[in-house]
Amino acid sequence: ETGVTQTPRHLVMGMTNKKSLKCEQHLGHNAMYWYKQSAKKPLELMFVYSLEERVENNSVPSRFSPECPNSSHLFLHLHTLQPEDSALYLCASSQGPGNRVESYEQYFGPGTRLTVT
Amino acid sequence: AQKVTQAQTEISVVEKEDVTLDCVYETRDTTYYLFWYKQPPSGELVFLIRRNSFDEQNEISGRYSWNFQKSTSSFNFTITASQVVDSAVYFCALSYILTGGGNKLTFGTGTQLKVEL
Repeated sequence: ETGVTQTPRHLVMGMTNKKSLKCEQHLGHNAMYWYKQSAKKPLELMFVYSLEERVENNSVPSRFSPECPNSSHLFLHLHTLQPEDSALYLCASSQGPGNRVESYEQYFGPGTRLTVT
Repeated sequence: AQKVTQAQTEISVVEKEDVTLDCVYETRDTTYYLFWYKQPPSGELVFLIRRNSFDEQNEISGRYSWNFQKSTSSFNFTITASQVVDSAVYFCALSYILTGGGNKLTFGTGTQLKVEL
């Protein structure tokens, strides 16, 4: 139990659907992250939120829309996805901001396996 | 630019063999952190170790040991007397602090370790 939960664990959606991924952390952290993990590719950082403000957006297509209503919750809203968006989506959290050692560590959730048909 | 290279895509060993996973990194930062994560088939990334750029002491934790050499920009991971439960994908990652808060992890492509009986 890492303290970061994600729902749903598996999701199959059509290209015209709208769905949302949810992440919740119980670690008292102030920064949260979305990553995409595709087969045979490194984990790709998508978004970073710190104190509920987006601080990093790595050229992610607009069909992915993040939302961070508070420091414990992070959502990824999905619409009109493409088959190549099928991947494992991982959420993580860390302490922050600051230069403390602990600010460098990220703790990951179990991921949502997304399949776009 | 940050870069992490894990040249070994897949390693297969027989139980009780020792195995070393290689990691080479590139960064212009003087302060940074290096990590190893384990990803079992369940998908969740499990934090194994953190090492900062000022501490080149090797570390041992049970059957795991890490060799950090700044001169060669390497941070290698050795499992002694491997077990079937060690079978997983192992990721090396490099971290730096984002000015807006939070941090950014750059991951290698991972090494799939298979330990067979």
